[in-house]
Amino acid sequence: DTAVSQTPKYLVTQMGNDKSIKCEQNLGHDTMYWYKQDSKKFLKIMFSYNNKELIINETVPNRFSPKSPDKAHLNLHINSLELGDSAVYFCASSQVASGSGDTQYFGPGTRLTVL
Amino acid sequence: TQLLEQSPQFLSIQEGENLTVYCNSSSVFSSLQWYRQEPGEGPVLLVTVVTGGEVKKLKRLTFQFGDARKDSSLHITAAQPGDTGLYLCAGARGTYKYIFGTGTRLKVLA
Repeated sequence: DTAVSQTPKYLVTQMGNDKSIKCEQNLGHDTMYWYKQDSKKFLKIMFSYNNKELIINETVPNRFSPKSPDKAHLNLHINSLELGDSAVYFCASSQVASGSGDTQYFGPGTRLTVL
Repeated sequence: TQLLEQSPQFLSIQEGENLTVYCNSSSVFSSLQWYRQEPGEGPVLLVTVVTGGEVKKLKRLTFQFGDARKDSSLHITAAQPGDTGLYLCAGARGTYKYIFGTGTRLKVLA
């Protein structure tokens, strides 16, 4: 069974379109995240959710809107896609996000290409 | 501003060689993690270090957290082709946020 799954795996779209990426975890974790990995492999946190509540928004443009319908799901909707949005987006989850460094489990990633 | 700088950025070595990857910051972290990421996959956690000066071993991998909790190192002994991948350090900044390092791409040649 896949612990953290994302769909789709690949997403190719035109500039200006709106698209969504879905994420599901079957680990029973309370905390979920969205990360963006650019072409240089730099991984940057975008959002953190705990028990469906937004905890961290790392100055992400308003075009990005995460939604957590329940603790097992965290979806990412992107409006008016721009060329600079092209990247690999990773979803992750952890049981709790304590300062002691709880384990984050990452999904396989969604490669978004904006043309 | 990159809070966690890794060095080297790229490393290509022969099987059997030893190597060390460094993760440096001017900030203090409550904990630090090391991940390995293979192409087309998400990062996978290797280890978490919490206490300043802590050393953890995972088979041929040795991880150390700096005394001041600002830096860390990963040492691989007798590298194997299976060690090839992108190594990322990540520091915890508060309860729900992890800052990732700039990454080190390791290639071990058979």
